[in-house]
Amino acid sequence: NAGVTQTPKFQVLKTGQSMTLQCAQDMNHNSMYWYRQDPGMGLRLIYYSASEGTTDKGEVPNGYNVSRLNKREFSLRLESAAPSQTSVYFCASSELGALPYEQYFGPGTRLTVT
Amino acid sequence: KQEVTQIPAALSVPEGENLVLNCSFTDSAIYNLQWFRQDPGKGLTSLLLIQSSQREQTSGRLNASLDKSSGRSTLYIAASQPGDSATYLCAPNDDYKLSFGAGTTVTVRA
Repeated sequence: NAGVTQTPKFQVLKTGQSMTLQCAQDMNHNSMYWYRQDPGMGLRLIYYSASEGTTDKGEVPNGYNVSRLNKREFSLRLESAAPSQTSVYFCASSELGALPYEQYFGPGTRLTVT
Repeated sequence: KQEVTQIPAALSVPEGENLVLNCSFTDSAIYNLQWFRQDPGKGLTSLLLIQSSQREQTSGRLNASLDKSSGRSTLYIAASQPGDSATYLCAPNDDYKLSFGAGTTVTVRA
């Protein structure tokens, strides 16, 4: 039981390049989330998927797109990377029922845009 | 928009001392609140989750309290150890989404 996995762990991009961050969970959770963490700040929600087939914007969605590929996988795409997108990206998942349940986080992807 | 504040931003204590970490949030209409631990360069580990109907939650040396009406939560760590050195984040859950504070960075000196 690996929990939440993310690939890659590290990535360096040049301004204008594109890339996709991958996330998968093996806990059969309905909901998945993408956050970014910048130095000295808390995590901020980029996009989330409450259930398979749905996605919604979070607090900082500009410059990103997401795909909920199936119940297990949720990817984050940067179409044209900018230095302001240098950050650590975390994926999380949780069950969703009558009450929201605990969120479980992946190890993160450290992205540098030069 | 939920605003989360954690005080103090950093804390350094000798081993054995009890730790008190404070979290305040502006919107009291929350479902639950999670406390996380983050080690340098690592992901987040969930420590405790308190449902909105609860006042306290305990796990080993950790105890978290929640006063939803005043928008406050406190994490107590008893008899601190050097291995407790990390950043601690609180995150209230409203509208099924977490909002995070900037965290309290704890250093426990041996």
